[in-house]
Amino acid sequence: NAGVTQTPKFQVLKTGQSMTLQCAQDMNHEYMSWYRQDPGMGLRLIHYSVGAGITDQGEVPNGYNVSRSTTEDFPLRLLSAAPSQTSVYFCASSSRTVGGLETQYFGPGTRLLVL
Amino acid sequence: GIQVEQSPPDLILQEGANSTLRCNFSDSVNNLQWFHQNPWGQLINLFYIPSGTKQNGRLSATTVATERYSLLYISSSQTTDSGVYFCAVLSGGYNKLIFGAGTRLAVHP
Repeated sequence: NAGVTQTPKFQVLKTGQSMTLQCAQDMNHEYMSWYRQDPGMGLRLIHYSVGAGITDQGEVPNGYNVSRSTTEDFPLRLLSAAPSQTSVYFCASSSRTVGGLETQYFGPGTRLLVL
Repeated sequence: GIQVEQSPPDLILQEGANSTLRCNFSDSVNNLQWFHQNPWGQLINLFYIPSGTKQNGRLSATTVATERYSLLYISSSQTTDSGVYFCAVLSGGYNKLIFGAGTRLAVHP
């Protein structure tokens, strides 16, 4: 199993450009999520999905869109990049139970620089 | 929303020393996880521990949910233990994992 994969590893954008960060998992996990990590801070939840066709907002959703058309893929779209979106982005996936989320598996991250 | 606080923010150890990292949370939770982020940025899940005690080699974790804290113990530390340790708790209808700011650990030979 490849686990959770993310592309690209690194991206430079100009202010106002749009792009899509890709995330895929091959563990048949229902739950997928996107986080951003800024220097000196923990991870903050951007959006999450509990299954194909179902998405919801996390702590910091503004400026980002998501969709979940398949169980495997959960792309994150930046509609109009801003310097404040310079960050490292992590995708994660897990199973879900009645008690909540199981062990989270993280991708390697995408480092984004917005000029 | 729920607040997650980790202490200490920074920790420097000599190889072979033991340490305890703490995670306090402001509300009741039914899910708590500990992660290690290595110096290359990779996040690895260490423990899924909503309550009780678990051990994995030199690492162990204890969560006392009624008192709203969790502890991560590292014994006989090694340089490979360096990195940032995060705890995260489940909030918001059991679908939102909220992270603390982390404890940055440096283990010197």
